[in-house]
Amino acid sequence: DAGVIQSPRHEVTEMGQEVTLRCKPISGHNSLFWYRQTMMRGLELLIYFNNNVPIDDSGMPEDRFSAKMPNASFSTLKIQPSEPRDSAVYFCASSFGPLQTQYFGPGTRLTVL
Amino acid sequence: RKEVEQDPGPFNVPEGATVAFNCTYSNSASQSFFWYRQDCRKEPKLLMSVYSSGNEDGRFTAQLNRASQYISLLIRDSKLSDSATYLCVVDAWGNLIFGKGTKLSVKP
Repeated sequence: DAGVIQSPRHEVTEMGQEVTLRCKPISGHNSLFWYRQTMMRGLELLIYFNNNVPIDDSGMPEDRFSAKMPNASFSTLKIQPSEPRDSAVYFCASSFGPLQTQYFGPGTRLTVL
Repeated sequence: RKEVEQDPGPFNVPEGATVAFNCTYSNSASQSFFWYRQDCRKEPKLLMSVYSSGNEDGRFTAQLNRASQYISLLIRDSKLSDSATYLCVVDAWGNLIFGKGTKLSVKP
């Protein structure tokens, strides 16, 4: 069975550019999560969706970050404009519910120069 | 107080050793507890859930102490392949909160 799929796996961009990260959750899962991981701060929850509806976006750093889930099989995380401090690994995860086991995608390693 | 706290390590142990990690959490109402494993430059993966009565999966044993608000993970007869970062996960206010992880390095 396919797990959570993320693209791209690596992204190198210049400060000020728009970055779009994509995620396909496991089929049948109702909850989708976007995380950011850095050495300093560990794994931080940015936003999560339940049944395609954003439930908690309190972890989104600022207005430069936005996330959408137009349907049950696709979500995007957009950063516009990107800054060097956004460099991190961004993970998408999905589960049957907010407190159920989460399954992570392989992550997108973002470098903003 | 941080919601989930772990000793970052690293724990450097020889093969065959027994090693234990603890994790403390701040929300006394938490009901869901997990241990995840993360290999270098990989995604976190579920190692095991933690149940109130404690549970065992092969060489791995997880315990929950609600009174003191901590969970533990015991690894017996450690293998080189156990080298990874172990993340403690606890539910808090409707979300799962991940600890920063404890790094384990098993040496020959």
